Amino acid sequence: DGGITQSPKYLFRKEGQNVTLSCEQNLNHDAMYWYRQDPGQGLRLIYYSQIVNDFQKGDIAEGYSVSREKKESFPLTVTSAQKNPTAFYLCASTAAGTGGTDTQYFGPGTRLTVL
Amino acid sequence: GNSVTQMEGPVTLSEEAFLTINCTYTATGYPSLFWYVQYPGEGLQLLLKATKADDKGSNKGFEATYRKETTSFHLEKGSVQVSDSAVYFCALRYTGFQKLVFGTGTRLLVSP
Repeated sequence: DGGITQSPKYLFRKEGQNVTLSCEQNLNHDAMYWYRQDPGQGLRLIYYSQIVNDFQKGDIAEGYSVSREKKESFPLTVTSAQKNPTAFYLCASTAAGTGGTDTQYFGPGTRLTVL
Repeated sequence: GNSVTQMEGPVTLSEEAFLTINCTYTATGYPSLFWYVQYPGEGLQLLLKATKADDKGSNKGFEATYRKETTSFHLEKGSVQVSDSAVYFCALRYTGFQKLVFGTGTRLLVSP
């Protein structure tokens, strides 16, 4: 079955540690996205990538980093510079194209808690 | 700028009641509009979408019509079920970009 997988489902981190969240898709989609979800605030875009080896900052990129070395993978690193990292993180992907009816498909999410 | 405003929740209904969740947007150009649903502890699933004015998206008994004159995309269902309990997000994608702009979400609680 095609889809997006995120791992782990739950992640705990001590303050001051970097942690990497995995996102893999087998939909052959070109574009991938990372969102952060906080209670009552909807989803906010962290980073996105429209093609391999290229990515752009979203609305809240500070304290995060990404890489896009393979089409199917878009890992997100939450660094110690992120002041409030406890949140639910969602990865999404979409087929190529800058308009039209491209739909974003979402993974199941990773809940990160800083202890 | 581009933004989406949703009615605050929670919306509490009895089974078989009529549902409306309001969504209005601000955007330049002609955005595509979406409704996503999120069940507890899960990611978002696309519920329905509309890409131009007067389009009606529909899925699983839910409907929404793209109203350019009122910049709205209200979600409706004639008879809700307990299994519809979830958080519903309205979103837009503005012309020429792949990024989505989300509303804050509306929680729906349906009791038997």
